Amino acid sequence: SAVISQKPSRDICQRGTSLTIQCQVDSQVTMMFWYRQQPGQSLTLIATANQGSEATYESGFVIDKFPISRPNLTFSTLTVSNMSPEDSSIYLCSVPDMRRGETQYFGPGTRLLVL
Amino acid sequence: GENVEQHPSTLSVQEGDSAVIKCTYSDSASNYFPWYKQELGKRPQLIIDIRSNVGEKKDQRIAVTLNKTAKHFSLHITETQPEDSAVYFCAAVTGYSTLTFGKGTMLLVSP
Repeated sequence: SAVISQKPSRDICQRGTSLTIQCQVDSQVTMMFWYRQQPGQSLTLIATANQGSEATYESGFVIDKFPISRPNLTFSTLTVSNMSPEDSSIYLCSVPDMRRGETQYFGPGTRLLVL
Repeated sequence: GENVEQHPSTLSVQEGDSAVIKCTYSDSASNYFPWYKQELGKRPQLIIDIRSNVGEKKDQRIAVTLNKTAKHFSLHITETQPEDSAVYFCAAVTGYSTLTFGKGTMLLVSP
């Protein structure tokens, strides 16, 4: 499976500010996914990021709040904008397996606490 | 869209016992069903998966069964060990890589 890294691993931020999370993969992938995992909860897909096109957002998530960049086939960023305490979560990126596209592997996650 | 229900939310067993976690899905077009294990503070790790054209799959102490007619699938862990303690998530995939997760089951294995 691909090696996935995320930066930062954790952060504490003040409300009203923005944080950009980076996801790096060691191989080229067509799609990258961003998930949110609220404390003690399951994973919820935020958006799918394709290289060279606009990200596709799931219901309840909007581009103004969670802008995504996908400048190449190994990298993506997710920005959490104008943060509030309700944004405190783990944010994870994932990528599909190169041979079995339905299978997804997750990055280590970014733990965000908004005060 | 797809909806995945998972039960139970918590499961406590003694070491050596078996554990079963059940999930149901709503979209008959879902065709791939992975299970993830998430230890505290770690990322979800894929432990086993099954495709819609297969009824059962086994990997050492873990197995997954799928009933397409009833739209439910289950994870079976035999001879549980304390290191099996974690949160387990089932998921269903519709189309290409759109994962919908269940709410998770916290499995506690007591020595």
